[in-house]
Amino acid sequence: QKEVEQNSGPLSVPEGAIASLNCTYSDRGSQSFFWYRQYSGKSPELIMSIYSNGDKEDGRFTAQLNKASQYVSLLIRDSQPSDSATYLCAVKGWSNYQLIWGAGTKLIIKP
Amino acid sequence: KAGVTQTPRYLIKTRGQQVTLSCSPISGHRSVSWYQQTPGQGLQFLFEYFSETQRNKGNFPGRFSGRQFSNSRSEMNVSTLELGDSALYLCASSPSGGEGLETQYFGPGTRLLVL
Repeated sequence: QKEVEQNSGPLSVPEGAIASLNCTYSDRGSQSFFWYRQYSGKSPELIMSIYSNGDKEDGRFTAQLNKASQYVSLLIRDSQPSDSATYLCAVKGWSNYQLIWGAGTKLIIKP
Repeated sequence: KAGVTQTPRYLIKTRGQQVTLSCSPISGHRSVSWYQQTPGQGLQFLFEYFSETQRNKGNFPGRFSGRQFSNSRSEMNVSTLELGDSALYLCASSPSGGEGLETQYFGPGTRLLVL
């Protein structure tokens, strides 16, 4: 069974620090990886997507992918209280392009 | 472009009733996926429709069904509602639901409460 694992948290980070969120996946054939942010009571919104090994940066966000170790991470630099949310990791496989979702990590940024 | 829209936004039903939820994808998007989200359970995949055909299906009982129309709008139906069906139902659309970095865009969801 294809699985995506995330630490449920909550992960508490001081304002201005770097928040590091991790995700591991079981299907070695996975091809695309996504990070979504979900505020309480709202729907998920895409933050980053990554396809190739290495780092991909977008503003304060950096996604890191290591296919050999089967993990993908999201770094948030200069964390702000508005970054407090649940972060969902999603992985797309080769076979049917269906997204497999992690349960999410709750991030709390403390002022 | 308008985003994904879902109706109704809130719904209260009683056990045994049935319910129909509607989703209009982003214009030009042909793939529509449905998810159930309950506290602590994350996103549970229900099914995905593409060009009026169910392409993928999650592990939900037959009480949960869906369909897609020629304009890509989709509906999902839950019959014989149970208390455990209380959840946020999310619809997401993408251009083709295909490979690569094609992304799903979510609607605001329908919050269903079963009493």
